[in-house]
Amino acid sequence: KNQVEQSPQSLIILEGKNCTLQCNYTVSPFSNLRWYKQDTGRGPVSLTIMTFSENTKSNGRYTATLDADTKQSSLHITASQLSDSASYICVVSSGGYNKLIFGAGTRLAVHP
Amino acid sequence: GAGVSQSPRYKVAKRGQDVALRCDPISGHVSLFWYQQALGQGPEFLTYFQNEAQLDKSGLPSDRFFAERPEGSVSTLKIQRTQQEDSAVYLCASSSVGDRQPLTKNYEQYFGPGTRLTVT
Repeated sequence: KNQVEQSPQSLIILEGKNCTLQCNYTVSPFSNLRWYKQDTGRGPVSLTIMTFSENTKSNGRYTATLDADTKQSSLHITASQLSDSASYICVVSSGGYNKLIFGAGTRLAVHP
Repeated sequence: GAGVSQSPRYKVAKRGQDVALRCDPISGHVSLFWYQQALGQGPEFLTYFQNEAQLDKSGLPSDRFFAERPEGSVSTLKIQRTQQEDSAVYLCASSSVGDRQPLTKNYEQYFGPGTRLTVT
């Protein structure tokens, strides 16, 4: 069964600190892996998209890594800001029309 | 605006009522997806349209769920005889590419804000 698992389930950090979120997946066929940010009451917004041949991709203070051999990905957030408080969802795309398979998300709270 | 819009944003239905949720995708987008997001969970795939054709409805949880996109733009997700377990946020997403794209081609799915359905 296609699955995407994320850890930790929730995380609290102080403003300005860094953090790393983890994602493991068992999805076939694999098209690409995405990280989304979802603010409360809003739809998910894409942060990064990586194919199997890409090891790392950055978007501002967000850096995603992908190890296609071990089927693991991480999202590193640098110098966190209060506005980073949200759910971060790891998503694996599968198939010809890029059907998205979502993890349950990591709920991040950044405190002043 | 140019984004995906959904209406209503909130819907409260009594158990057994029928509901209809609307999605207006980004103009010209070929693909349209519906997802169901339970509280504290990630979204789960319900169904996929390429233009007006429903190519995948494998995620629809029961025959009470029906989706259509008759003219290849606006889509409606209908839920008949709603049950409490139908309470969730229903997300719609659209993208500019369709089926038979190279698997390595990356493209965005743009999400709407969702409709929060509460069945009492």
